[in-house]
Amino acid sequence: DGGITQSPKYLFRKEGQNVTLSCEQNLNHDAMYWYRQDPGQGLRLIYYSQIVNDFQKGDIAEGYSVSREKKESFPLTVTSAQKNPTAFYLCASSASPHRARTYSNQPQHFGDGTRLSIL
Amino acid sequence: RKEVEQDPGPFNVPEGATVAFNCTYSNSASQSFFWYRQDCRKEPKLLMSVYSSGNEDGRFTAQLNRASQYISLLIRDSKLSDSATYLCVVISYSGAGSYQLTFGKGTKLSVIP
Repeated sequence: DGGITQSPKYLFRKEGQNVTLSCEQNLNHDAMYWYRQDPGQGLRLIYYSQIVNDFQKGDIAEGYSVSREKKESFPLTVTSAQKNPTAFYLCASSASPHRARTYSNQPQHFGDGTRLSIL
Repeated sequence: RKEVEQDPGPFNVPEGATVAFNCTYSNSASQSFFWYRQDCRKEPKLLMSVYSSGNEDGRFTAQLNRASQYISLLIRDSKLSDSATYLCVVISYSGAGSYQLTFGKGTKLSVIP
């Protein structure tokens, strides 16, 4: 079955530590995204990538880094510079608007999230 | 005006009721619209796309009003299992081959026995 997988489901970070959240998809999607959701809040975009080896900052990129070396993978590193990392992190993917015939109608599909907390 | 706005609710409705949510957007060039459902402590899941002519999927009806720049979601015959937060999503073309996708903060629905 095609899908998008995030791991781990729960992650704890010590002060000063960098941690990496994994996101893998086998949907053959070009575009991938990372969001952060705080309790009772909406989703905020951290980083996104529309193609391999390219990514762009979202609205709240400070304290985070990403890489996109493979189409299937878009890991997110929460660095020690991110002072308030406790949140629910969601990875998503979508077909590239450039390739699809109905380019304007590409929803995102989400992984089941990683909950990050500070120890 | 915020880019995408939703009434946060909560909407508390009895089982069997009909309930409707609106989502307003500020970018008149917005192209694609979706409704997602998010259960507590879970990921958002695509509920339905919103087409210009309106579309229906069982008890759910989505409509787009471009003139007034809002989309709506109507749920008929509410079930307990419909209790969730409903997020609207708006996609706009932002030039140079890029698209901007904006989530609303969601409307919380509680269906009461």
